[in-house]
Order: sequence, then C-alpha cells, then structure tokens
Amino acid sequence: DAGITQSPRHKVTETGTPVTLRCHQTENHRYMYWYRQDPGHGLRLIHYSYGVKDTDKGEVSDGYSVSRSKTEDFLLTLESATSSQTSVYFCAIRKGQNEETQYFGPGTRLLVL
Amino acid sequence: AQSVAQPEDQVNVAEGNPLTVKCTYSVSGNPYLFWYVQYPNRGLQFLLKYITGDNLVKGSYGFEAEFNKSQTSFHLKKPSALVSDSALYFCAVRDPRGGGYQKVTFGIGTKLQVIP
Repeated sequence: DAGITQSPRHKVTETGTPVTLRCHQTENHRYMYWYRQDPGHGLRLIHYSYGVKDTDKGEVSDGYSVSRSKTEDFLLTLESATSSQTSVYFCAIRKGQNEETQYFGPGTRLLVL
Repeated sequence: AQSVAQPEDQVNVAEGNPLTVKCTYSVSGNPYLFWYVQYPNRGLQFLLKYITGDNLVKGSYGFEAEFNKSQTSFHLKKPSALVSDSALYFCAVRDPRGGGYQKVTFGIGTKLQVIP
C-alpha cells in the first residue's frame, strides 16, 4: 500500500463549511494526487503535486484547493462544501518520474448534507 | 484526447470458469495501459500494466491482459475465477506524449461477480 494513509476516513459535514482532507505518505515520494470517485465517472483527478509547494489543477478542480508544505503530506481543502462534493476521495502517489504505476490510499468517504 | 471504455457494468462468471473484463481505449499514440482492482471500502490496487514489449502481460493474482493495437483493446483475463476475485475493476490509459502531470484516464469500472 506504499505507506499511504488518509484522514479522516469518514466525514459528514454541512453545506457551506470548509473541509480539509489529509493524505500522508511515509516513503517521501515526489508525486502525489487527489482523485474523487463517483458512480458512472470512475476516478477523476482533482489536483496533483510534483514536489513541496509545487501543485497544479486536474480536470475537476473547481471548489477545491491543495497544499503541500512537506513531502509527506498533501492536503485537500473544500473551501465551501456543496452536496455535489459528496464523494469518495482517494490520494495516490507515484514513486518516480519514470514509474508509471500509481498507488492509492484507503480513501475518505465524505457526505455533505 | 485520451479515453477508455469499459462496456460492461457487471460481469458474472461461475467459480472455476475463465473470466474476461473488457477495455478499449483511444489515444493518439502508443498507450500506456493499466488495470486496477478495488475491493469494498478499499483503495485501488495495481494489477498489471502494459508499457511496451510483449503484448501479453501477466500480473498479480493470476490475472493477465492482452494488448491488441489493431482493436485498441486491453482485456483483462483469468483462466479460472475465484470467489475472492469479486471486486470492481478499473482500466486506465495514459498517452505518454501527454506531458504535464502525465494524466491517467480511468474507466468507470466493471463489477465482477464470481458465483460459487
């Protein structure tokens, strides 16, 4: 599992509140990703990071921001949660620039009421 | 633009029978192709990948997949299904010429149900 943990694993929140999800890795890999998984859509990339303080947008980044102040932590923030952001969120890492495989964390199930 | 299609929402197979989970893709150049498996309440686990070389790729848990360039397919197969293979399977593709963050596009998933 490449030493990836996500917290919290489950969260219920209300519309309009900010939410921060944490991804933590123990192996100091450079590349980290945030995806959301929704029925009928598979996995869609929200944001990614290619180093400390180096981040960029994926295909569904509206309403989300990220930060990476340390190699091991990649934070995803829902600035003002909406019901459309109810989803399962997965963090992933890639072990190197020439390593194609992604390794996924266990996921965070978020419900926005 | 790259895309991947998994035409079956669900595949049912009897235990001990061979299984196939279908995947077709669209990229401009030569693709990188992947299969991942997801068990309930778990993250995706890597099964196998095709980057280059032999068209038949062998992966974890006895799975294999065949890259067919003319049919733009990368079907996942296993000679003898186990009940424990029941899970959600994702095909994914990347165009190596894409640059940037090396975007990987995932299919919507196929649920495999192995019937005892």
